[in-house]
Order: sequence, then structure tokens, then C-alpha cells
Amino acid sequence: DAKTTQPNSMESNEEEPVHLPCNHSTISGTDYIHWYRQLPSQGPEYVIHGLTSNVNNRMASLAIAEDRKSSTLILHRATLRDAAVYYCILRPYLMNRDDKIIFGKGTRLHILP
Amino acid sequence: DSGVTQTPKHLITATGQRVTLRCSPRSGDLSVYWYQQSLDQGLQFLIQYYNGEERAKGNILERFSAQQFPDLHSELNLSSLELGDSALYFCASSPRDRSAGELFFGEGSRLTVL
Repeated sequence: DAKTTQPNSMESNEEEPVHLPCNHSTISGTDYIHWYRQLPSQGPEYVIHGLTSNVNNRMASLAIAEDRKSSTLILHRATLRDAAVYYCILRPYLMNRDDKIIFGKGTRLHILP
Repeated sequence: DSGVTQTPKHLITATGQRVTLRCSPRSGDLSVYWYQQSLDQGLQFLIQYYNGEERAKGNILERFSAQQFPDLHSELNLSSLELGDSALYFCASSPRDRSAGELFFGEGSRLTVL
């Protein structure tokens, strides 16, 4: 079962910021928080990941709560091309044998022109 | 382009048949993961290999099997196909087994069972 909880869908207007939430209340101290997105008819692609501190890259920002039980992916200025399913997953830093990388159903983001 | 190659891109077959899906990971990546995505469903983890050895198993049916070869490419074999096996099958690779590096996904193989 997925270790994260995300809303099924969200809507946002084009050129506005988007905040995609993810709850991971059972996160362990060595779990990294990863975000991937899946554009229509494509395989998932990596967006960003972090451990404790907020992270920024060219695609997005990741804000991690102080207790690490939730995180938020921030798209600063949404475009129509950002319409996709966004997945939040946990990955242990050192994966033991039989650790599975579980994706849930993610959040389907709709961008309104 | 993620560097992960999956073939075939599309496959149509009949119930009861057997198919093989192939995955070539990024150059140098030792880990390969297989996922199944049915219509409007999330990604279901099937199985992971690292340098030829099975590492983790998910909800993979007994009718399905996989292996990773010495050249690191992987194959997913699906047999006695049923209508419900129609799905997108994704392969992903990553450089290592025991670290939290990112996964690189292929574009998937779409299997249609009629």
C-alpha cells in the first residue's frame, strides 16, 4: 500500500502558483520524499526530492513540514504543459532487500486557461 | 528522453497468449523496476532487479515472470493472458540498488488483450 496520501485531483488557473499537498505521517527518519509527474501518454518523470530542508530546482520547489509528516510541491507559475498526474512517494536512503517503491494514484492536476 | 528504452511500444494479442516485453535501462544503471498501469489506475509495482538478481517483488501474478540479463536488459514475460492484463507496462532504471536516487522511466509498452 502507498505510504502517502494525496488529493485525487486539483485545478489551477494558468500562470498562477499551484500547491500540491502530500501526507506521509508514517515517514521514517531515513525516507526521502520524491515527486514524479506523468504527462499524458508518457512515462513518469522525476520532479524533485528532499529529506528535511526545502528544495528548489528549475521545475519546482518542495516545502517539507518541520515534522516531515507532510510536504507540498510548488509550481510557481503553472502552464498548460504542467497538466499531469503528480505522484509523491517515499524512498528509504538505504533500501533493504524487499523494499518496494510504491506509487499511489497521485493527484491529477488540471490547468485552466 | 530518459535513456530507458522499452519495446514494443504497442502490442495487441489474444487471450491465452504469451508476450515478452523488453527494457533496456540507461547506460550504467544496474537496477530495473517494472510497473503496471491499468486504465485510470496508479502505478502498480511488479518487481525489481539489481545486477541480475531479484530484489523486491510486488503484486506480480504467478502468470508473469521477469529476469535481468548479464547485459542488464530486462524482460517481463506475461503468459495465459487475460482481458484484465491489458495495461501500460513501464520499466524504470536507477544507478544503484541501495540509495534514494531518482528513477528514470521508459515510455511504456501498451498491451491490449482481445
